[in-house]
Parts: sequence; structure tokens; C-alpha cells
Amino acid sequence: GAVVSQHPSRVICKSGTSVKIECRSLDFQATTMFWYRQFPKQSLMLMATSNEGSKATYEQGVEKDKFLINHASLTLSTLTVTSAHPEDSSFYICSASAWTDDQPQHFGDGTRLSIL
Amino acid sequence: GIQVEQSPPDLILQEGANSTLRCNFSDSVNNLQWFHQNPWGQLINLFYIPSGTKQNGRLSATTVATERYSLLYISSSQTTDSGVYFCAGSPYNTDKLIFGTGTRLQVFP
Repeated sequence: GAVVSQHPSRVICKSGTSVKIECRSLDFQATTMFWYRQFPKQSLMLMATSNEGSKATYEQGVEKDKFLINHASLTLSTLTVTSAHPEDSSFYICSASAWTDDQPQHFGDGTRLSIL
Repeated sequence: GIQVEQSPPDLILQEGANSTLRCNFSDSVNNLQWFHQNPWGQLINLFYIPSGTKQNGRLSATTVATERYSLLYISSSQTTDSGVYFCAGSPYNTDKLIFGTGTRLQVFP
């Protein structure tokens, strides 16, 4: 089956640090990946659509200079939270778009980011 | 943008009970899916169901696309069914998923 690996699973760091999260499709290629954010007891909110070889498309209200997205290959997209602050603490989860296993999107296990 | 409302927001059941979760969309969508988010945050795909009915063990789902809603049925619930259930769909001509508000299910022995 299609597997999406997200790393790291947990990050705790000081305010002002930049944090990079990786999202890899292990056994398939994905021209499109998506990044979501989930605050405690809330739903998943789409942050941006990441397309291989081109600039990401950000949803309204998401700061592109704060959340840098790079999709340099067909199997890897990265999200960098720059100069993170406590309000950036959240659960970040990526997905890759590929029609396999009777579903159009495959999700990573998420990254829990805590900024002190 | 598309709004996705789920009901009920919270559901408490005793083991063995049956339940129905509902998902309403404000506009037509593609790629309608149901997910179960476990306590560790992992999203488990339950169904891809843009229309019609599907069954998988104790779970089944029905989508009536013309009326913009979908239902998830859980029969003979077990404690391992606990967690949050999300539906999600894609606006036309996109692949991005818009998630619903979620239903938090707790099943007690």
C-alpha cells in the first residue's frame, strides 16, 4: 500500500528556532502534496498545496514567509516553520495525492510541534 | 469556500451500540472520504465514497451526492472505535481536502 512517512513525529524547541518537517512518499511518486495544521480539539485546516518543481499555493490567512514549503522531488516535500513562536505550536500533517489503495490521498502520521 | 458540518459533535456509547454519523456539505464535492483519527493523531482512511454505499466489516457509509450529505454507520461499537471521525471532500477541479468539524466518539465497556 501507499505509505507516507513524516519526520520528525515530535519536536520541542525554543521560541525563535526554525523547524523543518519532511514528508516523503515511500513507494509512489506524488506531484502534489498537501500540508494541514490541527489545533487541539479542532479539525484539520489546509495550509498549502505543494507542487513538485513549482511554488506552493497557500490558503488564505497562511503566511508564506512563515511557513516555507519546498517540493524539490516527486517523493519529498518539506515544511519549514521559520522563527517559531508558541502560537505556532500545533499538530502538522501532510498528505500525498496519488490514486492507490482505492483512495486519492495518503496521509503521514503527523508532527507534534511544541514551542517553548 | 465550502463548509462541512458534522453531527453530532460528541457521542458517548456503550460497547455494542450502533451509531450514525452525518456529514453535510454546503456545496457539491469530489473525493468524499471518511477518516478515523486515533488518539495518537494518525488519520486512518475508512472510506472513499463520492456516491453510493460501501461496507467494510462493522462500518458502512452512504453518500447522497445530489443532496450533499454522507452518513457513516458504526455497528456493534467497540472501545477501539473511540476517537474522532472526520469526513472530507474536494471542491470541484481541485484535489485539496476540506475537512468537516468532526465527531468525537467515546465507547465505554
